[in-house]
Amino acid sequence: GAVVSQHPSWVICKSGTSVKIECRSLDFQATTMFWYRQFPKQSLMLMATSNEGSKATYEQGVEKDKFLINHASLTLSTLTVTSAHPEDSSFYICSARDIEAGGPSFTYNEQFFGPGTRLTVL
Amino acid sequence: QKEVEQNSGPLSVPEGAIASLNCTYSDRVSQSFFWYRQYSGKSPELIMSIYSNGDKEDGRFTAQLNKASQYVSLLIRDSQPSDSATYLCATTDDKIIFGKGTRLHILP
Repeated sequence: GAVVSQHPSWVICKSGTSVKIECRSLDFQATTMFWYRQFPKQSLMLMATSNEGSKATYEQGVEKDKFLINHASLTLSTLTVTSAHPEDSSFYICSARDIEAGGPSFTYNEQFFGPGTRLTVL
Repeated sequence: QKEVEQNSGPLSVPEGAIASLNCTYSDRVSQSFFWYRQYSGKSPELIMSIYSNGDKEDGRFTAQLNKASQYVSLLIRDSQPSDSATYLCATTDDKIIFGKGTRLHILP
């Protein structure tokens, strides 16, 4: 249980194009999803928190118009990197949490991570 | 603002020995604590959750929580080369607060 998938696992794109990354909870309903970015040899950096059916909350310094997040259903969130530039090249990771009774996070409020998407912008 | 502190390492441990990873946190009201393992180039994997004071064992892993001292640790018995990774300590609020991680290197 508590499996989170991401698609694509890696993507290479040209500078100026937009890239969409999908995050799905496969066997539970994710009331909350989180998007992280991680540069090589650095810590995870939380970019934004999204709750199903409402607007995402972005961390300080993260441009909401550049990193568009949509959490349209209880099992799917998407991150779109708009007008990508080489400095956006990174490892993007989503995580999901379900705090509803009976859900996998109910006891401890854990988050479960997807496998990540490696983005390279040329 | 909650904070989680970890020694960045690297921590080198001989194969077969016990690896001890430590973490302190700043917020006395924190309730749940987690240890995640992250291999290079991979996403974090949850390996232990602990909620109550004391020890919690799962296979070769033991998590220890001391809320009075605001201290949580992870012991890995019979360390294997495959345990070499970065271990992230975390607590939770409305979102997870991670430490910066401790790099563990198991020496064959």
